[in-house]
Amino acid sequence: QKEVEQNSGPLSVPEGAIASLNCTYSDRGSQSFFWYRQYSGKSPELIMFIYSNGDKEDGRFTAQLNKASQYVSLLIRDSQPSDSATYLCAVNGYSGAGSYQLTFGKGTKLSVIP
Amino acid sequence: DAGVIQSPRHEVTEMGQEVTLRCKPISGHDYLFWYRQTMMRGLELLIYFNNNVPIDDSGMPEDRFSAKMPNASFSTLKIQPSEPRDSAVYFCASSSGTGFSPLHFGNGTRLTVT
Repeated sequence: QKEVEQNSGPLSVPEGAIASLNCTYSDRGSQSFFWYRQYSGKSPELIMFIYSNGDKEDGRFTAQLNKASQYVSLLIRDSQPSDSATYLCAVNGYSGAGSYQLTFGKGTKLSVIP
Repeated sequence: DAGVIQSPRHEVTEMGQEVTLRCKPISGHDYLFWYRQTMMRGLELLIYFNNNVPIDDSGMPEDRFSAKMPNASFSTLKIQPSEPRDSAVYFCASSSGTGFSPLHFGNGTRLTVT
């Protein structure tokens, strides 16, 4: 059973601070990693993806991947109240017979305090 | 370009009734996924299709659930008979591949079974 673990939070940070969201996964063969943001009552929307070890930056967002430690994180710089949402970590791995499966963590709820 | 379209947005039904959820994927996407989201279990993959063929249905909870994809632009998820524990938000998502392609989610169907 492939598992993706996230701290459920809530994680509260003041406006303008850096929010750090973490995720660990159990399948060492996982190839691709995604961060989705989900506002309350809405559907998940992709904000970042990363395939290789190291950092990947996109605007205020930085994804970090360490495959040896089976760890992926998302940093949000200059946090804004509009960043308040649940952040879902998703890990894609081969599940056999030509089938890939995207497994989601339960999400971390982020609250940015003005 | 239209996104993934789901209907209905909300469904309230009584235990024992049949429920049918509908999805139109993004044109050109070969993969279609059905997920269920609850507070307790998070986002769970129920089934996914490639080129209209079911590839992995290991997440379908029991025989009361069935899914079809008669053509590239339409899929249904049916629950018969429905039970209160089926209450959840059901998301349909599509992608252009697996492994390294992100999912694009529909707005979801909030199902309440009383």
